[in-house]
Amino acid sequence: AQKITQTQPGMFVQEKEAVTLDCTYDTSDPSYGLFWYKQPSSGEMIFLIYQGSYDQQNATEGRYSLNFQKARKSANLVISASQLGDSAMYFCAMREGPNGGSQGNLIFGKGTKLSVKP
Amino acid sequence: EAGVTQFPSHSVIEKGQTVTLRCDPISGHDNLYWYRRVMGKEIKFLLHFVKESKQDESGMPNNRFLAERTGGTYSTLKVQPAELEDSGVYFCASSQVVAIRDTQYFGPGTRLTVL
Repeated sequence: AQKITQTQPGMFVQEKEAVTLDCTYDTSDPSYGLFWYKQPSSGEMIFLIYQGSYDQQNATEGRYSLNFQKARKSANLVISASQLGDSAMYFCAMREGPNGGSQGNLIFGKGTKLSVKP
Repeated sequence: EAGVTQFPSHSVIEKGQTVTLRCDPISGHDNLYWYRRVMGKEIKFLLHFVKESKQDESGMPNNRFLAERTGGTYSTLKVQPAELEDSGVYFCASSQVVAIRDTQYFGPGTRLTVL
């Protein structure tokens, strides 16, 4: 079964508008972390934002925020005021705690390709 | 401070040949991970080193893949002999500690094409 699901293979957004990239996850471990990475066309994976399962507040990092809905097991990435440089692949990933099966490595979704239109 | 570096950036080899990929983690990072993304699929975990020891190699596809991290610094991933299905992008990542919130920093990847 998929542990990380990103249902949007591709998304378009107009420059300066906000966009939400979906991510749902599946784990029975009460302790886990969720990460978002950006992969521009140059290929490098850039860490964007982290949300812990016990964090009380939704994570924010500049124009990035995470809409964390624990009961729904969703961790959507919100990018505000999109810029042309935001065009890239975006990957959602999860790391489980000691009760999970992944032993500390990251489990990735298939990614969402975001295109920002001028 | 230098990030994670990987060499080569691209490699094209023929089926049956051998290829060795190298990863230099961020200085001071004891944890080193290898991942692979096959075209159109998820990025999948291969293995995890803590210093020079293999902590978890449950993701290694078969015994044609050999990873080493002598001295706990850089790591190599050798594929011998390479098969067509080994084509993909191989990423290396490093982190300071193994904790849920510890960020793994990725290198730019090595794109391997097996013909």
